[in-house]
Amino acid sequence: DADVTQTPRNRITKTGKRIMLECSQTKGHDRMYWYRQDPGLGLQLIYYSFDVKDINKGEISDGYSVSRQAQAKFSLSLESAIPNQTALYFCATSPGGTSTDTQYFGPGTRLTVL
Amino acid sequence: AQKVTQAQTEISVVEKEDVTLDCVYETRDTTYYLFWYKQPPSGELVFLIRRNSFDEQNEISGRYSWNFQKSTSSFNFTITASQVVDSAVYFCALSEAGSGYSTLTFGKGTMLLVSP
Repeated sequence: DADVTQTPRNRITKTGKRIMLECSQTKGHDRMYWYRQDPGLGLQLIYYSFDVKDINKGEISDGYSVSRQAQAKFSLSLESAIPNQTALYFCATSPGGTSTDTQYFGPGTRLTVL
Repeated sequence: AQKVTQAQTEISVVEKEDVTLDCVYETRDTTYYLFWYKQPPSGELVFLIRRNSFDEQNEISGRYSWNFQKSTSSFNFTITASQVVDSAVYFCALSEAGSGYSTLTFGKGTMLLVSP
């Protein structure tokens, strides 16, 4: 079984709809992240969380919100989706600690906003 | 200012050729980590290597090798005897002490196409 899972894997929605993307991990990591990938732009950080009570904005948080329901679960919400939020979304986890902190990514969710 | 630059947008080679992917980074921190990730056509991101700023030894893993040079702020990735399965987008990324190593800054990626 995959260590980091994302649901749904693909989603098509309409402008103005609320949508939630979910991420679960079995790696036992404290840190979790949400990124979006647009063609030719690499990955941009949306939000990150170092534990259940710690949520931080990334470089492109506008239009998004997150919830850390448990150590293993981190959800990303688009309150009112717009077409320029069409992208590939990745969740990642890392254990923390400078000597070991490598991020491991989920399989991605492809979101299309019409 | 862009902190991680991958100037090569796309590289095409024929199988068995050697290929080097360039990565240049910018940081004011003396302590930082550099990473390479691979994104095959299936879309997932696969971790390849992590290197800290105090370790300038080159790394070799099978057909993959990495050359880290602080003097030129570069962390280049070479694939020897490329294979079709190496076709992917490769990302270089930076994690800095100033951010508590909390975030990764990615380059825009280099798409490698290996033809038979």
